[in-house]
Amino acid sequence: AQSVAQPEDQVNVAEGNPLTVKCTYSVSGNPYLFWYVQYPNRGLQFLLKYITGDNLVKGSYGFEAEFNKSQTSFHLKKPSALVSDSALYFCAVRGGFQKLVFGTGTRLLVSP
Amino acid sequence: DAGVIQSPRHEVTEMGQEVTLRCKPISGHDYLFWYRQTMMRGLELLIYFNNNVPIDDSGMPEDRFSAKMPNASFSTLKIQPSEPRDSAVYFCASSFSPSGTSYEQYFGPGTRLTVT
Repeated sequence: AQSVAQPEDQVNVAEGNPLTVKCTYSVSGNPYLFWYVQYPNRGLQFLLKYITGDNLVKGSYGFEAEFNKSQTSFHLKKPSALVSDSALYFCAVRGGFQKLVFGTGTRLLVSP
Repeated sequence: DAGVIQSPRHEVTEMGQEVTLRCKPISGHDYLFWYRQTMMRGLELLIYFNNNVPIDDSGMPEDRFSAKMPNASFSTLKIQPSEPRDSAVYFCASSFSPSGTSYEQYFGPGTRLTVT
């Protein structure tokens, strides 16, 4: 079965510093990978996706993710964190036709 | 575009009562998804529709749960009878994927259900 793992429940980073939120995947076949963000009391918002092509994927709000096939990872990154980036981040993988399987989420806390 | 609209935003009900959650997807979208989010189980896909037809309901927890999509602009998720363990945030999401390759889903704000 397709799955993703987010090994960190929470990531703390100071504003202005680079951030990384980790995700590893387990799939049969080619992976379709996604990152979503959830702000308090809101639904999830799409950030970016990897289907094929360049291993570095750029998305919304200055976020990017690096696909690494040998390490089966798809880590989310941003060069300079903002306090407003504080939210819950979900990695997801295609789990079947039009289905997404989400990870458990990582809470990002950016301190001023 | 108003985005995905869900109602009500909050629902408090007593055990045994019927609960109906409503969703209006983004106009033109051909897929609609119902999810449940809890601290214990995370985000779970309950059921999804394509062009108003249920495609996969394997995530529906039991017969107390049912979902319908009578037309392209409206869907309901019904719980009858409700139980305290149904307390969760229920999200509706929609996507446009005529070729079946998009996977970019747009989520509504959710309905927070509390069953006492």
